[in-house]
Amino acid sequence: EAGVAQSPRYKIIEKRQSVAFWCNPISGHATLYWYQQILGQGPKLLIQFQNNGVVDDSQLPKDRFSAERLKGVDSTLKIQPAKLEDSAVYLCASSWQGSDTQYFGPGTRLTVL
Amino acid sequence: GDSVTQMEGPVTLSEEAFLTINCTYTATGYPSLFWYVQYPGEGLQLLLKATKADDKGSNKGFEATYRKETTSFHLEKGSVQVSDSAVYFCALSGLTGGGNKLTFGTGTQLKVEL
Repeated sequence: EAGVAQSPRYKIIEKRQSVAFWCNPISGHATLYWYQQILGQGPKLLIQFQNNGVVDDSQLPKDRFSAERLKGVDSTLKIQPAKLEDSAVYLCASSWQGSDTQYFGPGTRLTVL
Repeated sequence: GDSVTQMEGPVTLSEEAFLTINCTYTATGYPSLFWYVQYPGEGLQLLLKATKADDKGSNKGFEATYRKETTSFHLEKGSVQVSDSAVYFCALSGLTGGGNKLTFGTGTQLKVEL
């Protein structure tokens, strides 16, 4: 089966610019996650969706980050405006509803100059 | 809150050496435990998991046993290969607002040399 797809793979922007990332989960997976992985650290959960509803966004910096999953399938994560400290790899993952096993996409590496 | 502590890297081994990467955790309840592997330029791949005390997860020659009494989930492999060079992440799954949240350690880089 196809894995989790993400695009773009790489993005370089200047601070205060906006950026958006896209994720397509494994077919049938109701739960979708966005993680931020800063260099040298483990991934940290930003937001979790169940179908098109938000389950947990407690770690999402809502003044600049937003995410949506309008039809319960694809999702986009946006940063506006970006800061230098947002440089990281943004990972999307998905799982079957109720499962604790998550499958990760290849990630988007964001560099903010 | 939940947390995972891994041994710091990099760990450098010769091919065919024995590997141990230590992982301990702090969590409420009875989480599932995972090892994920990240090869250069790629996303995380699930390596193995264990869902309850004394369970042993295994895959591709790697194994780890869920030890509740020592809150540990150490990763082991009897004979590493150059192709095992990657970053290994220990993680636990805890409930959050009705969902399952993974809490990761900081990762341990493994370098295997000929």
